[in-house]
Amino acid sequence: QKEVEQNSGPLSVPEGAIASLNCTYSDRGSQSFFWYRQYSGKSPELIMFIYSNGDKEDGRFTAQLNKASQYVSLLIRDSQPSDSATYLCAALYIHQGAQKLVFGQGTRLTINP
Amino acid sequence: DAGVTQSPTHLIKTRGQHVTLRCSPISGHKSVSWYQQVLGQGPQFIFQYYEKEERGRGNFPDRFSARQFPNYSSELNVNALLLGDSALYLCASSSPNTDTQYFGPGTRLTVL
Repeated sequence: QKEVEQNSGPLSVPEGAIASLNCTYSDRGSQSFFWYRQYSGKSPELIMFIYSNGDKEDGRFTAQLNKASQYVSLLIRDSQPSDSATYLCAALYIHQGAQKLVFGQGTRLTINP
Repeated sequence: DAGVTQSPTHLIKTRGQHVTLRCSPISGHKSVSWYQQVLGQGPQFIFQYYEKEERGRGNFPDRFSARQFPNYSSELNVNALLLGDSALYLCASSSPNTDTQYFGPGTRLTVL
C-alpha cells in the first residue's frame, strides 16, 4: 500500500512568519512530488512540484525533497492571510503505464493577522 | 487558455440512481484522470485514461466506470449510488510531456 502521510493540523502561523508543512511517503520508487493548495469548497490548485533532492524555490514558496529520508516539505515565507488553506502533498506512482497521484490527507493552515 | 472544465457543478441524487459526470481537459492534454475526495481527506485515484484507453484503475467497485472520447473529453459513470458516494469528484488533465496534473473545479455529488 503506497502511502503519503501529513500532519492534519490545524497549523496556526502569525502573518509574516514562515509556515512549514511536512510530508512523508512510503514508496522509494516514487520520483515526483507535488504540493497543491485547496481552499474550502474548491478544487486543488498546483503550487509546486519537485523531482530532485534539495530545495526548489518559487517566489515565497520553497519545496524541499530528501529521498533518503522519504521526506518532502513546503516552506511559505512572509505568510499572508490569503495563504490560509489546506495544503495537499502528493507522490506520483507509475505502474504499467498509469500515472497515479497518491495524496496525504492534507494540512490545514491558518495565518493569523 | 481555458483550464480543465467539469459539469455539472453540483448534483443531488438518491440512493440507487445513476450519475454521469463530464470533464474536458486543457487543450493539448490527452490524459484525463478521475479522483474522489470525501470531506476531510485527500483525493483518491479512480481512473486514468490516455488516448481513449484505460491506463489505470484505483480501488473502486465496478459500479464506477469511465470512458474517454476522441476529443479527449471524458465521462465518469457511477451506478447504484450509495450514501458513501457523496463526495467531490475531481478531473485532472496532463500533457504527454509532463507528469503534472491540473485539476478542474470538481463536481459536488450528494446522495440522499
